Amino acid sequence: GAVVSQHPSRVICKSGTSVKIECRSLDFQATTMFWYRQFPKQSLMLMATSNEGSKATYEQGVEKDKFLINHASLTLSTLTVTSAHPEDSSFYICSARRTGSRGSNQPQHFGDGTRLSIL
Amino acid sequence: SQKIEQNSEALNIQEGKTATLTCNYTNYSPAYLQWYRQDPGRGPVFLLLIRENEKEKRKERLKVTFDTTLKQSLFHITASQPADSATYLCALDLYSSASKIIFGSGTRLSIRP
Repeated sequence: GAVVSQHPSRVICKSGTSVKIECRSLDFQATTMFWYRQFPKQSLMLMATSNEGSKATYEQGVEKDKFLINHASLTLSTLTVTSAHPEDSSFYICSARRTGSRGSNQPQHFGDGTRLSIL
Repeated sequence: SQKIEQNSEALNIQEGKTATLTCNYTNYSPAYLQWYRQDPGRGPVFLLLIRENEKEKRKERLKVTFDTTLKQSLFHITASQPADSATYLCALDLYSSASKIIFGSGTRLSIRP
């Protein structure tokens, strides 16, 4: 159990394009999902916390107008990189925690990431 | 400033030996500490969680210790195998934050046959 599906796995597109990435929890409900960015040989950097039915909480330095997050249901969160530029090229990973596990004693379950390349 | 450091960027050991990875943190008070495995081009996979009031946790060939005085966790893989080669990430689960966890930079472990 606890499978998180992320789609697409790879995107290559031109500068100025907007790209949408989906994150789905397949066999559990997730009130909260997380979006990370990872550069080569570096750790995961939390970008934002996605809350079902409310606005996302962005980490310091992350532009909310650039990285639009929507969490419309208990099993789906989307990240849209608007007007993407080459510097937005990175590995984006989502994760989810089971609903009701706010007590911080539950692990996060990760998707397999999206490799975004902006030409 | 707050830091999570995994001391070795890379660790190379002989198959069959015990691999020991270190995670140190400063200016955090985590309630829980987690270890994840990440393979190239994939998302992290949860391995073990240890609470602040636990000294040691085991799961099959894995062992984690947590010393809140030293602000350090050690992650051991006994009888290591080439299939254990991956990047291992420690993560702090902060009591004061709603749900988020903070990751260390990872240690790339290579087990040679």
